[in-house]
This record gives sequence, C-alpha cells and structure tokens, in this order.
Amino acid sequence: GEEVAQTPKHLVRGEGQKAKLYCAPIKGHSYVFWYQQVLKNEFKFLISFQNENVFDETGMPKERFSAKCLPNSPCSLEIQATKLEDSAVYFCASSQGFGRVNYEQYFGPGTRLTVT
Amino acid sequence: AQRVTQPEKLLSVFKGAPVELKCNYSYSGSPELFWYVQYSRQRLQLLLRHISRESIKGFTADLNKGETSFHLKKPFAQEEDSAMYYCALIVFSGGYNKLIFGAGTRLAVHP
Repeated sequence: GEEVAQTPKHLVRGEGQKAKLYCAPIKGHSYVFWYQQVLKNEFKFLISFQNENVFDETGMPKERFSAKCLPNSPCSLEIQATKLEDSAVYFCASSQGFGRVNYEQYFGPGTRLTVT
Repeated sequence: AQRVTQPEKLLSVFKGAPVELKCNYSYSGSPELFWYVQYSRQRLQLLLRHISRESIKGFTADLNKGETSFHLKKPFAQEEDSAMYYCALIVFSGGYNKLIFGAGTRLAVHP
C-alpha cells in the first residue's frame, strides 16, 4: 500500500496476557522498524528488519518481546505476559533503503496498548 | 551516547508570532537530523531534514554543529501549526540505521 498500516488501533490486555500487534509496510519497502512511545514521551527504538531478517534488535527487551517479518504476511510484534509498564503506543515505520540511501522512515498510525 | 533533547514540553504562542522550537543533540558521528510533526489524531510525518535545506509550511531549521543544535523556526505562526513536534537524529551503525527521538514539544497557536 501507499501508507504503513497498523492493526489493531487499540488493544487492551490484562496483566499477564499476550499481545500481538501487526504492521504492513509500504509496498516496495524492505526495512521495517518498531518504536515504543510511553506516555507521549520520546520514542524508543525496539527492533528493525530487512525483509524477514532481524537487522538491529538492540532495543528489544529480550525476555517477553519478540518480532517477526515473514514473507507475504504483515510484520508482527508480540509481547508475552504483558506488564503494566508495557502500556504504550507502538509505532511501526518502513523505509525503502538503509544506511545513507533512501533511508527516510514513514510511520504508521500506531497501536495503543493498554495493560490493565 | 546519542541523545536528542527538546527542553520545552509546551510552547504556547499567538497567531502571527514567531516560533522557535529548540532541539539539541549529542552524537559523535556526522549528524543528520529531522523534524517530525504529529497533528491531532494523525500519524507522525516528516516535516523537514537538514540535508535538504528546504522550507516546508514556512518552517526552517539550520544545523549548528558548534552549538549541537537544530532549532525549528517559523516567522509567523498559524493556528494550523498546532501539533506535537519531534526532533530526531538518525544514527548509522554497521550499515543499518535507527532514529533517536527527542521527547517532543507541543506547539499551541492561539487565535
């Protein structure tokens, strides 16, 4: 598509439940990024992909967070056993290139996760 | 360490007044900086980037390496400029990149 799409728009989970968020990058974009924004504060980088390969996962909390980008499927970000502090807006972005070529990132509308 | 600082959480001005949203960065490499804007209930969108030296919607930003700043300016604010503004630094490492964002400044332009 012409825009990055994210589903669902809102997600409410009880503490300890699993949460799964989806992102469809712009058609033709090979790079996908996930960011977490807590309480309308700064965005925290989580992970990036080049097609289905993890590119950079230095921001991912290793224990409960996982992410995948499989061929012909939306990318996903999954949180096992959610905690209250996971409540945030999760943004996905995609770019055509990497490094210093076509690296502009286009953002999706975000998924608001509320853990109760 | 890479860091972007936006010292003001809220900037409130009247229509027609000049606007300056402050952004300072910390980065050991050659910096490339962006301003993103998020209007109410819309997605984050790129406003401008320093390397293109363009003016979008009347906004400009100049990279000052000596002061490590990238302040966003507009001579005459309009009500439709009311939004959240995020300054971001792109970090290149090992062939990949990621954005480091500031905490954002809410600009409120009053009639």
